[in-house]
Amino acid sequence: EIVMTQSPATLSVSPGERATLSCRASQSVSRDVAWYQQKPGQAPRLLIFGASTRAPDIPPRFSASGSGTEFTLTISSLQSEDLAVYYCQLYTNWPPRIFGQGTKLEIK
Amino acid sequence: EVQLVESGGGLVKPGGSLRVSCEASGFNSSDYSMNWVRQAPGKGLQWVSSISGSGIYKYYADSVRGRFTITRDNAKNSLFLQMSSLRAEDTAIYYCARAWGSAGYFDLWGQGALVTVSS
Repeated sequence: EIVMTQSPATLSVSPGERATLSCRASQSVSRDVAWYQQKPGQAPRLLIFGASTRAPDIPPRFSASGSGTEFTLTISSLQSEDLAVYYCQLYTNWPPRIFGQGTKLEIK
Repeated sequence: EVQLVESGGGLVKPGGSLRVSCEASGFNSSDYSMNWVRQAPGKGLQWVSSISGSGIYKYYADSVRGRFTITRDNAKNSLFLQMSSLRAEDTAIYYCARAWGSAGYFDLWGQGALVTVSS
C-alpha cells in the first residue's frame, strides 16, 4: 500500500508571506495527486487535482507542482482566511483511497 | 444548487447500529461514484467506502469491512452507509463525497454527520 507523507505537520507563516507544503509518496504515483483545504469546522474542499490543476473558483495564489514521489502546494501570499489543514490525496491505485496525514497552516 | 447533505448521525452504544444518509441535489448522482470519508475528533481524513455509479461495485476500508454496508438509491439521488457492530473508534464525522469521473478525486463534499459511539 502506498503511503503519502506530508511535511511539516504544522507550518506558521506571516500574512503576505509564501507557504510551502510538501507531500511525498512512498512510490511513484505519476501526477495523480489532489490537495484539499479544510478550514476549522468545515468540510474539506478540493483545491488541486492532477498535481497542478486548480479546481474551479480556487484563487491563483494557490499553486501546486510535482510528479512521481514529490509534490508541493504553494500559497504565494498568505491571507488570514488560508488558516486550515491541508491534505494531499492519491486518487488512483485504489482501494484504499489514501490521504496524507495533513499539514496545519497557522497564521503568525 | 449542486450539493450533498448528510443526515442520520447521532449517539449509539457500542455494538449498536446506525444508518447515515447523503442526499445529492443539482446533479444526477448515478453519473458518479460516491464515497464516505470519516474524520475522528482532532484527526485526519480516513476513507471508509466507495460505490460505483450503478451500485454494483463496492469497496471498503479494512477497518470497516464486514461491519459497514454502502448502498445507493439512484432514483432518490441518495447514498447510505449502514453501520453495525459499532465501536468507540468509529466515532467521527462522516462525510459523503463525489468522485469526479474515472479519475476519482473528490470534487464535492457534504457538510458531514457526527456519529458518536459511547455507552
